[in-house]
Amino acid sequence: EVHLVESGGGLVQPGGSLRLSCAASGFTFSHYWMHWVRQAPGKGLLWVSRINTDGNTVYADSVKGRFTISRDDPKNTLYLQMDSLRADDTAVYYCLAFSGGQPYWGQGTLVTVAS
Amino acid sequence: EIVLTQSPGTLSLSPGERATLSCRASQSVISTYLAWYQQKPGQAPRLLIYGASNRATGVPDRFSGSGSGTDFTLTISRLEPEDSAVYYCQQYTTLPLTFGGGTKVEIK
Repeated sequence: EVHLVESGGGLVQPGGSLRLSCAASGFTFSHYWMHWVRQAPGKGLLWVSRINTDGNTVYADSVKGRFTISRDDPKNTLYLQMDSLRADDTAVYYCLAFSGGQPYWGQGTLVTVAS
Repeated sequence: EIVLTQSPGTLSLSPGERATLSCRASQSVISTYLAWYQQKPGQAPRLLIYGASNRATGVPDRFSGSGSGTDFTLTISRLEPEDSAVYYCQQYTTLPLTFGGGTKVEIK
């Protein structure tokens, strides 16, 4: 069974940095493209970034140049390095995988950017 | 970018009634890559339907999905009080992955 567990969220000041992790199990992690999606408080869902199996990355315009997605296949772990954080980055961050055409989500980790 | 427009914004119905939620795409979506989610306050989205019409494991059969191309529908055949939530559609045909703005279902 596919299982995704995010961690690393917390309170950070504007301009600060944070690294999120997503631990994957129940599938061959190295074979799958992985995504990050976020949801600001009281708002809808917004795609953030994707990394494919070759390490190629794509970002939403709102985070381009500030966020870096990466993966460690031997550790079955996805990362999101977030730099130059702004108040509007405050959100719950989810990692996603697609297996057999079915999406799988973690439970999310909350990032709060405030002074 | 594929824009997903959900309607209505809010649906207020009584238990036992039928709910019909619409998701319209700005361009054609491959049916294999259209999903529906239920989200309750403070919780992660729960997958209900993937591939436009496949129920996820553990989802009651009162939930069903249909549609193709640019028009997709989530139907809840007989509303239960626990179905009160916000429902989102998602396409994963192309990047960026996009989501509809949500339909809030209220149970009278």
